[in-house]
Amino acid sequence: QKEVEQNSGPLSVPEGAIASLNCTYSDRGSQSFFWYRQYSGKSPELIMSIYSNGDKEDGRFTAQLNKASQYVSLLIRDSQPSDSATYLCAAYTSGTYKYIFGTGTRLKVLA
Amino acid sequence: GAVVSQHPSRVICKSGTSVKIECRSLDFQATTMFWYRQFPKQSLMLMATSNEGSKATYEQGVEKDKFLINHASLTLSTLTVTSAHPEDSSFYICSAFFVAGGGDTQYFGPGTRLTVL
Repeated sequence: QKEVEQNSGPLSVPEGAIASLNCTYSDRGSQSFFWYRQYSGKSPELIMSIYSNGDKEDGRFTAQLNKASQYVSLLIRDSQPSDSATYLCAAYTSGTYKYIFGTGTRLKVLA
Repeated sequence: GAVVSQHPSRVICKSGTSVKIECRSLDFQATTMFWYRQFPKQSLMLMATSNEGSKATYEQGVEKDKFLINHASLTLSTLTVTSAHPEDSSFYICSAFFVAGGGDTQYFGPGTRLTVL
């Protein structure tokens, strides 16, 4: 059974701090990894994608991938109350046409 | 990013009626689309994979005769909830697969909130 695991949280951080969200995956064949943000009552929105080991930065967001450890993380710098949401991690193996989603981590940024 | 629309955004219907939900990829062609269901405070549950020009692939436990999926074109997939009952009330979300050189990415529609009375 291919799985993606996330701590459900809530993860509470003060405004302006760095929020660190973590994810592990079981399928070593996974090649692509995604972070989605989902506000309550809304559908998921793509935040970051990462395909290679190392860091990928986009504005306040940095995704980190370590394939040897089967570990993906998302760092949010200068966290804002508007970042409060559930963050979903997903893994994808090319050709399977199926994403494996984690259950999500709820982030609360305290003003 | 690629844009996926969904219609209607909200529907309230009586028990026993059928409801059709449309999912469109607006600026790209999608041979593969997905249908998810999400109950309050729960994670996404994949219902089926919709492939243009062929039958949908349903996940275990999802009744294909109750949730009819049609992917008639490269930009449109529809989900019909037949003979809806209150337990079908949920948030239904579609997504479309965008295949690009840099990687295959899934983009979500805004979702349809179904309430069955």
